[in-house]
Amino acid sequence: GQQLNQSPQSMFIQEGEDVSMNCTSSSIFNTWLWYKQDPGEGPVLLIALYKAGELTSNGRLTAQFGITRKDSFLNISASIPSDVGIYFCAGTSQKLVFGQGTRLTINP
Amino acid sequence: NAGVTQTPKFQVLKTGQSMTLQCAQDMNHNSMYWYRQDPGMGLRLIYYSASEGTTDKGEVPNGYNVSRLNKREFSLRLESAAPSQTSVYFCASSDTWDGAVGYTFGSGTRLTVV
Repeated sequence: GQQLNQSPQSMFIQEGEDVSMNCTSSSIFNTWLWYKQDPGEGPVLLIALYKAGELTSNGRLTAQFGITRKDSFLNISASIPSDVGIYFCAGTSQKLVFGQGTRLTINP
Repeated sequence: NAGVTQTPKFQVLKTGQSMTLQCAQDMNHNSMYWYRQDPGMGLRLIYYSASEGTTDKGEVPNGYNVSRLNKREFSLRLESAAPSQTSVYFCASSDTWDGAVGYTFGSGTRLTVV
């Protein structure tokens, strides 16, 4: 079946640093989505990408839909303590598939 | 506030007990989903309902049953709970069955089976 490989699995950074994470797959996806899960809550949609090559920003977050349609990345600039959480990528072709998540920890 | 409401938020069961997790959405979404989240495993789909009146198995359906009671409500039942079903369960809904416009998730039910 379709699988998404999300990396890194965890990140420990200093406040103010930039963050980069990505998802790759051997399958082509029509849509890429990025979610954030705060501790004790459900995932919340951050960014949705619908076209190959598309680059979309949401505040300090920037995500891109890879040209090959098999990958996507998410960047967070100038991290702050509230960025802590688990970030999930997800892709759709005939159904929605989630990556394993990247756990972000920030040292103040 | 519009969204997905799950009840209960926490539950402890003894092995062999049964229970039903409730989920309701007020966004008039067609599709609803049940996921479980375990450490290091991400989100795994248990069952989904693409539209009212239909249900289908996901990746890990064994030990669970579902009911799409109406367009708003989608319940998950554990007939005979096992310790392996200790997990956090999330209900989600979407306007399209493939989730292309994104899912809205509830805040989760934390289930412990002892």
